[in-house]
Amino acid sequence: DAKTTQPPSMDCAEGRAANLPCNHSTISGNEYVYWYRQIHSQGPQYIIHGLKNNETNEMASLIITEDRKSSTLILPHATLRDTAVYYCIVRAVNTGNQFYFGTGTSLTVIP
Amino acid sequence: ETGVTQTPRHLVMGMTNKKSLKCEQHLGHNAMYWYKQSAKKPLELMFVYSLEERVENNSVPSRFSPECPNSSHLFLHLHTLQPEDSALYLCASSQAFTTGEYDGYTFGSGTRLTVV
Repeated sequence: DAKTTQPPSMDCAEGRAANLPCNHSTISGNEYVYWYRQIHSQGPQYIIHGLKNNETNEMASLIITEDRKSSTLILPHATLRDTAVYYCIVRAVNTGNQFYFGTGTSLTVIP
Repeated sequence: ETGVTQTPRHLVMGMTNKKSLKCEQHLGHNAMYWYKQSAKKPLELMFVYSLEERVENNSVPSRFSPECPNSSHLFLHLHTLQPEDSALYLCASSQAFTTGEYDGYTFGSGTRLTVV
């Protein structure tokens, strides 16, 4: 599965949008982009995933560039409870390949 | 609750003890996983079970012994651990080889293990 690159840490003011970038320049055509987050000392939680179209759910929006080499996770109105480590993972679906978590981006929402 | 339950939540054990971690899922999934997360390190995949058969073992020391008696239960048996084995142990489940698009993982809350 393709490797991803994320900034190690980011800050965001409470109530503002948090935009978390991810580079995946070697992504293959059959690989999806997944986002998970891990709040301190808990298990990772699924947020959203997409292939090439932008996606939105109740938690976040996912913007994937047209060439699919990068994506941005958007938390529209960050709250203190969004402070967590956010993982961007690319993985081919239905291949049995495992999710390998990198170091992610540590997002701190500031009051 | 996420649908994946891990017990105990916290465990302190001596290096000569034998203990077991338990994971249970009620999501109808047929694949289960053990991950280890040491302090300030990424999650490390330890074991994978698909349809109750072990399909991956990432060079984990033999003092960790997994068991998957059925698709809903996963155990991690621990014996003669070392202090460096202290970590958060996470269990996850998924539907292996689905026809649907989403085949992501559902994680439990983890067991915080301290070896003294």
